[in-house]
Amino acid sequence: EAQVTQNPRYLITVTGKKLTVTCSQNMNHEYMSWYRQDPGLGLRQIYYSMNVEVTDKGDVPEGYKVSRKEKRNFPLILESPSPNQTSLYFCASSSTGWGYTFGSGTRLTVV
Amino acid sequence: QKEVEQNSGPLSVPEGAIASLNCTYSDRGSQSFFWYRQYSGKSPELIMFIYSNGDKEDGRFTAQLNKASQYVSLLIRDSQPSDSATYLCAVSRQLIWGAGTKLIIKP
Repeated sequence: EAQVTQNPRYLITVTGKKLTVTCSQNMNHEYMSWYRQDPGLGLRQIYYSMNVEVTDKGDVPEGYKVSRKEKRNFPLILESPSPNQTSLYFCASSSTGWGYTFGSGTRLTVV
Repeated sequence: QKEVEQNSGPLSVPEGAIASLNCTYSDRGSQSFFWYRQYSGKSPELIMFIYSNGDKEDGRFTAQLNKASQYVSLLIRDSQPSDSATYLCAVSRQLIWGAGTKLIIKP
């Protein structure tokens, strides 16, 4: 089944403890992207990648890191999480960059 | 600042009626427009995209684009309770998102 897989689905962590949210797609898509979704603010892009080793900042990159060492994987790294990073996170991928398939989401709470 | 505006709703529509969802955008150079549906607690899923002025139909869904007036709309005919969701408008290849309109179909 063609899909974007994110892990974990739910995560509660403490301020300052490094964490990684994994994202993997099995559709051989070149484009991958990370979003956060907050009530009333909609989806905001954190980082995106157009291919292996090619990444760029989105609208809200502060406090986040990404890497794209393999085509299928695009992990999101929070080096020192803070409570304002509590949000619902989505990974998405696309073959053309025109329409995206989203993962199931990761609900992160930073206390 | 490129912006995409949607009425947050909720928009309440009786079952069987036409639901009309609207989206306006600020960047006159935008070329591509997307409608995503998001059920509560789920991820967004692409339901329609449109590039050219006019109407594009897919089953019960019709997307309408008017570049001169900078708006795009989504019509859902014969609305069903299963259409109750938040509908997200996204503009351009970089996907600039509106905050979404919550649609409620009342049986």
